[in-house]
Amino acid sequence: GAVVSQHPSWVICKSGTSVKIECRSLDFQATTMFWYRQFPKQSLMLMATSNEGSKATYEQGVEKDKFLINHASLTLSTLTVTSAHPEDSSFYICSAPPGTKHNEQFFGPGTRLTVL
Amino acid sequence: GENVEQHPSTLSVQEGDSAVIKCTYSDSASNYFPWYKQELGKRPQLIIDIRSNVGEKKDQRIAVTLNKTAKHFSLHITETQPEDSAVYFCAASGTGGFKTIFGAGTRLFVKA
Repeated sequence: GAVVSQHPSWVICKSGTSVKIECRSLDFQATTMFWYRQFPKQSLMLMATSNEGSKATYEQGVEKDKFLINHASLTLSTLTVTSAHPEDSSFYICSAPPGTKHNEQFFGPGTRLTVL
Repeated sequence: GENVEQHPSTLSVQEGDSAVIKCTYSDSASNYFPWYKQELGKRPQLIIDIRSNVGEKKDQRIAVTLNKTAKHFSLHITETQPEDSAVYFCAASGTGGFKTIFGAGTRLFVKA
């Protein structure tokens, strides 16, 4: 099946710094990727839709200037958490549909962000 | 936008019993309903899915039913085993770019 990778798997940073998380589709091209955030014991909350060649679409309540998304190629989307604070500590997961005809999503393994 | 509600939030069953988790969705344009199992610190794992042109689907001990009129869909696990203990999420997706919205999750405990 289709494989999605994320890097890094975990990161610890100081408050005020920026952190970049990469999401790659390894064996398929993805014009669209999705970024989710999951706090402990909670559900996956969709943050934004990453669109190759155009701007990301953010969900209501998600600050686009804080969570910068760049869909650099058909296999890579990056999420940069700018000026991270402890409340940004969370599990960030990306997903991508393997084609344009089916809704099924393939998820990355997630990135655990801890902001000190 | 789409909203998915999931119940119960916690479910405890005896090994061998059945477990049922129910979800409702709000967007009538949704046409794909996956169910995921998630273990702590891991990515969600697709366990079964159903599309809007089907009313029921079964895969061994797992089945899903869909009532489009009522906008309800349910997960049924029969002959539960301790290894079924995990958090289960329902989700809904439509044609609008395949955005997938998740329910709040159900923590299932299967007691041996």
